[in-house]
Amino acid sequence: QQQVKQSPQSLIVQKGGISIINCAYENTAFDYFPWYQQFPGKGPALLIAIRPDVSEKKEGRFTISFNKSAKQFSLHIMDSQPGDSATYFCAAVDTGFQKLVFGTGTRLLVSP
Amino acid sequence: DTAVSQTPKYLVTQMGNDKSIKCEQNLGHDTMYWYKQDSKKFLKIMFSYNNKELIINETVPNRFSPKSPDKAHLNLHINSLELGDSAVYFCASSLRGESEAFFGQGTRLTVV
Repeated sequence: QQQVKQSPQSLIVQKGGISIINCAYENTAFDYFPWYQQFPGKGPALLIAIRPDVSEKKEGRFTISFNKSAKQFSLHIMDSQPGDSATYFCAAVDTGFQKLVFGTGTRLLVSP
Repeated sequence: DTAVSQTPKYLVTQMGNDKSIKCEQNLGHDTMYWYKQDSKKFLKIMFSYNNKELIINETVPNRFSPKSPDKAHLNLHINSLELGDSAVYFCASSLRGESEAFFGQGTRLTVV
């Protein structure tokens, strides 16, 4: 119940294309859903996050779509750039328990 | 100024040795975490502390012992190191009740 499933495992997108990463969760106690971006040799860094009372959140080229009834959420990266090449992790937080559970990660490569 | 700093960044040691990793945060957060990232990039929580009190202890071998001398520091001591302990260990911090966690740069532990 604590798992967050993430797909695809890896993704290759051409420059200017749209990158889409999907996640699903089971535990209804999760009440915050962040996405983290990790570059090689660095720690994960918060990219964008959403709470379940909102169906969509957009920050620049990054958009989270959230479907509470399906317990699914996704990250869309518009106009993908080579600098976006990184590993992306979805996560789910039970803020009452202060526990952050990560998805399995998606390695994104944006080709020039 | 580094928000969450870990030392050392790299650690190579022989099986059976005991080693420590230190973590400090200057964000004024009251909750700190240790995560393990394996060779497949999967991030798994090991421990979390809130105001020096252990609140999450996942199924981690008792060779791993966290210590929090104050709420700005969380160290990880590992006894009798094994080959399977080789991984990148990340320290993170957050404010209880807030959802965003900040991660350190990681410590790459290699057991030979």
